[in-house]
Amino acid sequence: DTAVSQTPKYLVTQMGNDKSIKCEQNLGHDTMYWYKQDSKKFLKIMFSYNNKELIINETVPNRFSPKSPDKAHLNLHINSLELGDSAVYFCASRPWTGEKDGELFFGEGSRLTVL
Amino acid sequence: GESVGLHLPTLSVQEGDNSIINCAYSNSASDYFIWYKQESGKGPQFIIDIRSNMDKRQGQRVTVLLNKTVKHLSLQIAATQPGDSAVYFCAESGGSNYKLTFGKGTLLTVNP
Repeated sequence: DTAVSQTPKYLVTQMGNDKSIKCEQNLGHDTMYWYKQDSKKFLKIMFSYNNKELIINETVPNRFSPKSPDKAHLNLHINSLELGDSAVYFCASRPWTGEKDGELFFGEGSRLTVL
Repeated sequence: GESVGLHLPTLSVQEGDNSIINCAYSNSASDYFIWYKQESGKGPQFIIDIRSNMDKRQGQRVTVLLNKTVKHLSLQIAATQPGDSAVYFCAESGGSNYKLTFGKGTLLTVNP
């Protein structure tokens, strides 16, 4: 009955590789997000999709490409991985209430380690 | 003080004491504020939220205070328990695009 689930939970890979992290939510939410948490625990928003449409795209290298096949899924693909990409990536979702606020529901995170 | 390594502000309290975690924000347009708790190895979990038309909101053992004049937010936890040990984040949103911006976390350690 996991609400926001991410796979894989852990990912260890070499520099230069391409990898993907998948996210699915079964809450019926319309809006999904990707956040990056660095080694100092700082959480920074990367992307947001509402009903498969990109609505937030922060200053993120274009090696990062989000893809939303439907409103329940938001995947993150990373090309040419670099050491600095090592972090924990969190997926989150919220319902589209028409208000510009509201609680985000987070997944458990995907820890990416680039060697 | 700061925790060596993580460089997070830290707060250490005795079990049963009350805890107060503070947060400053800079965006005058922020109109919604939220506190999250993150336990080790887990995702952030919602604790309590407050809109800018309020200055206080209470939940179970938690109270959030908002001072818009000085752009300050605090989370008070009553009768702190070992299970409250975690990193606590404040977050705010305002303006457009439903973007929740997180502040620097505070590591709360509860000593039995």
